[in-house]
Amino acid sequence: GENVEQHPSTLSVQEGDSAVIKCTYSDSASNYFPWYKQELGKGSQLIIDIRSNVGEKKDQRIAVTLNKTAKHFSLHITETQPEDSAVYFCAANKIIFGKGTRLHILP
Amino acid sequence: DAGVTQSPTHLIKTRGQQVTLRCSPKSGHDTVSWYQQALGQGPQFIFQYYEEEERQRGNFPDRFSGHQFPNYSSELNVNALLLGDSALYLCASRRTSAAGANVLTFGAGSRLTVL
Repeated sequence: GENVEQHPSTLSVQEGDSAVIKCTYSDSASNYFPWYKQELGKGSQLIIDIRSNVGEKKDQRIAVTLNKTAKHFSLHITETQPEDSAVYFCAANKIIFGKGTRLHILP
Repeated sequence: DAGVTQSPTHLIKTRGQQVTLRCSPKSGHDTVSWYQQALGQGPQFIFQYYEEEERQRGNFPDRFSGHQFPNYSSELNVNALLLGDSALYLCASRRTSAAGANVLTFGAGSRLTVL
């Protein structure tokens, strides 16, 4: 069945630096790739998404890139801030999620 | 505008018991999906309901069943609970017939502990 691999499982970056989280997917028919931010006690929130007809999408400090040939996509967070600390999940379509990346922003 | 609300937030059951979790979708949303998230793992898709019918199902046994009501709210039922059913159960909703229909809104989840 379809699988999504997410790396790294934990990431610590200095405040102000950039963070990159990578995901690979197995089903070449996948066409929608959302990223969710999960904070304790809160519902997971969609932070950015990309469709297979686009290679890159940016929203302020957050960007997502997609390489359909290699079947991988990445989340980029620039100028990280303390409130970026959370668990981030990638997904293929609406159903298959990665295992998550716990991002720590160090003061 | 309330988002997705789930109840209860926490509950403890013993092996063999049955549990019912409830979800009210975001206003205007008509499709509800359920996910199981074990500790340290990503959400695993259980099933999706639309127009009061199960439309899609993940790799979960028949012990997991659901229902959607005319007001779009939904229930997840798990019978004959196992220790391995301990997890955070997430409900997500979306509006099927709209631009951005892929966008899911998640609830905060119901944390089930099976002893």
